[in-house]
Amino acid sequence: AQSVTQPDIHITVSEGASLELRCNYSYGATPYLFWYVQSPGQGLQLLLKYFSGDTLVQGIKGFEAEFKRSQSSFNLRKPSVHWSDAAEYFCAVSGLTGGGNKLTFGTGTQLKVEL
Amino acid sequence: EAGVTQFPSHSVIEKGQTVTLRCDPISGHDNLYWYRRVMGKEIKFLLHFVKESKQDESGMPNNRFLAERTGGTYSTLKVQPAELEDSGVYFCASSHIGLSKFQVYNEQFFGPGTRLTVL
Repeated sequence: AQSVTQPDIHITVSEGASLELRCNYSYGATPYLFWYVQSPGQGLQLLLKYFSGDTLVQGIKGFEAEFKRSQSSFNLRKPSVHWSDAAEYFCAVSGLTGGGNKLTFGTGTQLKVEL
Repeated sequence: EAGVTQFPSHSVIEKGQTVTLRCDPISGHDNLYWYRRVMGKEIKFLLHFVKESKQDESGMPNNRFLAERTGGTYSTLKVQPAELEDSGVYFCASSHIGLSKFQVYNEQFFGPGTRLTVL
């Protein structure tokens, strides 16, 4: 069965500092990997996704993530955090099964940004 | 283009009562998914519709939950009777159908969720 682990429940960083959110997955085949962000009162928004090819993927809002198969990881990074990045971040994995793409999520990481 | 909408945004009911959640997907999206997040835990898949047909309902917790998508447009999720452990945030998502030959993934667009509290 597929699973996702986000070991950090809460992270606090200062504005302008770099950020790395950890994500480890377990999946029997080549995974499709995603990072979503949820701001208060909003739905989940897709930040970036990895299907194949270049293991460093760029997303919206200046985020990037690196797929490391040997470590089963897909960590999210941002060089300089802005106060507006404070939100909850979810890593997710999916495969293709019968035309559907159900997502398996991690428990989320709540990011707090100190000014 | 309007996004995925969900109604109500919040619902507080007593144990044993019935609640119906509604999801309106993005127009033209044949895939519709329901997910649930119980407090402090991960977001979990409940079921997947392709148009009006249930493609995968492996995540439905028990027979107190009934999902429908009549006409292949909006969907409802009914909980009857509600129990305390049903409290959480229920998310709906929609996407286009993938091209079966190439198995192209299509992004799921999420609604803001319905927060259900069962007292």
